[in-house]
Amino acid sequence: EAGVVQSPRYKIIEKKQPVAFWCNPISGHNTLYWYLQNLGQGPELLIRYENEEAVDDSQLPKDRFSAERLKGVDSTLKIQPAELGDSAVYLCASSLSGKSYNEQFFGPGTRLTVL
Amino acid sequence: AQSVTQLDSHVSVSEGTPVLLRCNYSSSYSPSLFWYVQHPNKGLQLLLKYTSAATLVKGINGFEAEFKKSETSFHLTKPSAHMSDAAEYFCVVSERAGGTSYGKLTFGQGTILTVHP
Repeated sequence: EAGVVQSPRYKIIEKKQPVAFWCNPISGHNTLYWYLQNLGQGPELLIRYENEEAVDDSQLPKDRFSAERLKGVDSTLKIQPAELGDSAVYLCASSLSGKSYNEQFFGPGTRLTVL
Repeated sequence: AQSVTQLDSHVSVSEGTPVLLRCNYSSSYSPSLFWYVQHPNKGLQLLLKYTSAATLVKGINGFEAEFKKSETSFHLTKPSAHMSDAAEYFCVVSERAGGTSYGKLTFGQGTILTVHP
C-alpha cells in the first residue's frame, strides 16, 4: 500500500514568489493534515480537513497561506508571497478519521528554502 | 491545554546498551500518547501509542513505553540500542478537546538519539 505522497520534495524560491505543495493521502483516509516543522522543533498543525471541509485552520496564517482539498482526496497548500521565515519543512499526514486514537501517517515532507 | 516536554534534546548511547528517552506531558483530559521516530529525509513513523488500555505499551523495533499518570510521564525505552536506531524521536500527546473525540496532536521538541559503535 502506498503511503502519503508529497511533491516536490525540495523547493528553493526567492522571497515574494508564490509556491505550492501537493499531497496525496493514503487511500480511504478521510482526514488530512498539513503541518509546519521548523528546524529543531516538532511539527505544528496548520490545517485539518475532514473530507473536503477545513475543520481546523486556526493556526493557518491566512494573509499569505491558503489550502484546498476540493474533492476530498488530494490537497494543495499555497504560500503567496513567500517570506524568508517560511523556510521550513511542510508535512502532510492522513488518518482514517480525526479521532484522538487514530494513527496519523506522515509523508516525507517538502523542504522549502526561501532566499 | 496540552503540552509535551522532552527532557533531553540529545541522547548518546553505545550500541548494545539501553536507551531511555524521557517525556512529560500536561493534559486537561484523558490523553492519547504516541512516540514517533523521524529518520533523515524520511517521514515520521509511529513507534507506539497509548490510548487508555495497558499502561505498558510495546512498539516496533523493540521499543516500549510506560504511561505513568501520577508522574505525567511517558518515557521511551529499549533494552539494547542498534545503530539503525539513530534518529530523532518525538513524544506526542493527543487530547480529546472539549468532550469531542477529535484529537489534536501536540509534538515535543524532539530528542536526537546518537548510537556509537
